[in-house]
Amino acid sequence: EDKVVQSPLSLVVHEGDTVTLNCSYEVTNFRSLLWYKQEKKAPTFLFMLTSSGIEKKSGRLSSILDKKELFSILNITATQTGDSAVYLCAVEAIETGANNLFFGTGTRLTVIP
Amino acid sequence: GAVVSQHPSRVICKSGTSVKIECRSLDFQATTMFWYRQFPKQSLMLMATSNEGSKATYEQGVEKDKFLINHASLTLSTLTVTSAHPEDSSFYICSARVHLNTEAFFGQGTRLTVV
Repeated sequence: EDKVVQSPLSLVVHEGDTVTLNCSYEVTNFRSLLWYKQEKKAPTFLFMLTSSGIEKKSGRLSSILDKKELFSILNITATQTGDSAVYLCAVEAIETGANNLFFGTGTRLTVIP
Repeated sequence: GAVVSQHPSRVICKSGTSVKIECRSLDFQATTMFWYRQFPKQSLMLMATSNEGSKATYEQGVEKDKFLINHASLTLSTLTVTSAHPEDSSFYICSARVHLNTEAFFGQGTRLTVV
């Protein structure tokens, strides 16, 4: 059965701290791994990773994928209160007709001033 | 990035009535749209995959006669919750993608409350 596991489930840090969020997966016919940030409503896209070892960066956020060990990490440096959100990891599997996204349960990050 | 508009953002309906939720891709054509349901403090659960011009593919355990999905055009998919019950109260989100090699963009979600 395909699954995506995120850790930790929740995390509380102080502003300025650096955090690392983890996502491991077991998916048949892996195509890509995606990270989303979810605040009050719908998730917003952060990164799409398809190749191992290539770091993607956007400001203070970065992410990397290890297809051999089947995991990805999302790093946030110099955290700010605006980073408080649920971070979702999703893995895309190739299936006939369309590609399905399997979501992890998310990591709830709280950044304290 | 691409914009997906979902409407309404919030709806309250009486038990036994039907509710329609619209998902539109505003600046791109989406051959495939996805409908998700999210319970409090839980992740997104895929309900169905909607392909333009064909019948939706439902995930196991999702009643296709209760959750009617129509994808009549490349920019619009609708989810109709028929004969809604309080247990259908949830947060429903759609997503759309330009093609299979791109990320999925999400609508803002619809909070459905059945009373």
